[in-house]
Amino acid sequence: GAGVSQSPRYKVAKRGQDVALRCDPISGHVSLFWYQQALGQGPEFLTYFQNEAQLDKSGLPSDRFFAERPEGSVSTLKIQRTQQEDSAVYLCASSLVQGRLYEQYFGPGTRLTVT
Amino acid sequence: AQSVAQPEDQVNVAEGNPLTVKCTYSVSGNPYLFWYVQYPNRGLQFLLKYITGDNLVKGSYGFEAEFNKSQTSFHLKKPSALVSDSALYFCAVRDTTGTASKLTFGTGTRLQVTL
Repeated sequence: GAGVSQSPRYKVAKRGQDVALRCDPISGHVSLFWYQQALGQGPEFLTYFQNEAQLDKSGLPSDRFFAERPEGSVSTLKIQRTQQEDSAVYLCASSLVQGRLYEQYFGPGTRLTVT
Repeated sequence: AQSVAQPEDQVNVAEGNPLTVKCTYSVSGNPYLFWYVQYPNRGLQFLLKYITGDNLVKGSYGFEAEFNKSQTSFHLKKPSALVSDSALYFCAVRDTTGTASKLTFGTGTRLQVTL
């Protein structure tokens, strides 16, 4: 079946612009995660949804970052007033059920470059 | 707080030789451990996981990992490396507190397999 898809794959934004990154999880997956991967680093957790509920947003670096999943499927990560330090690959992952035992399946990521 | 360490930035192996990619972890409870592989411009692909049971876990593409509780290690291994195994490998640990399900990743190890 289809995996996790993300769009756009690449985004260039001028500093100060707002951006919206989309994630389509695997159909039927309850859990959805966003991670940020800086160049040369491992992914770092941003936020977690179980269906439409955002259960953990402890990793969001500032109030410029906002995520939503209104119908429990597609999710959007929005970054307002982008800064150069926001340049990174943003990865979305989904998992079949809530809980620690199940692996997360990752999308290809969106590479954001802020100029 | 949980953490993962991958002490080697890069591992070089000749094709046909065994490979080991090292990972050590720190968690407050029972560890749930994962290995992922990342190819250029692609998302992370799940290789294998340790939840409980046998300390030797077998995964995709001939990879396996050995869980060692006393050494808090979860090293990734393969008996015979292939050039196509060349990629970036990440070890990750899942939060065991509360209902959190996020992964904490190491900084990654680049595996280079040469002819």
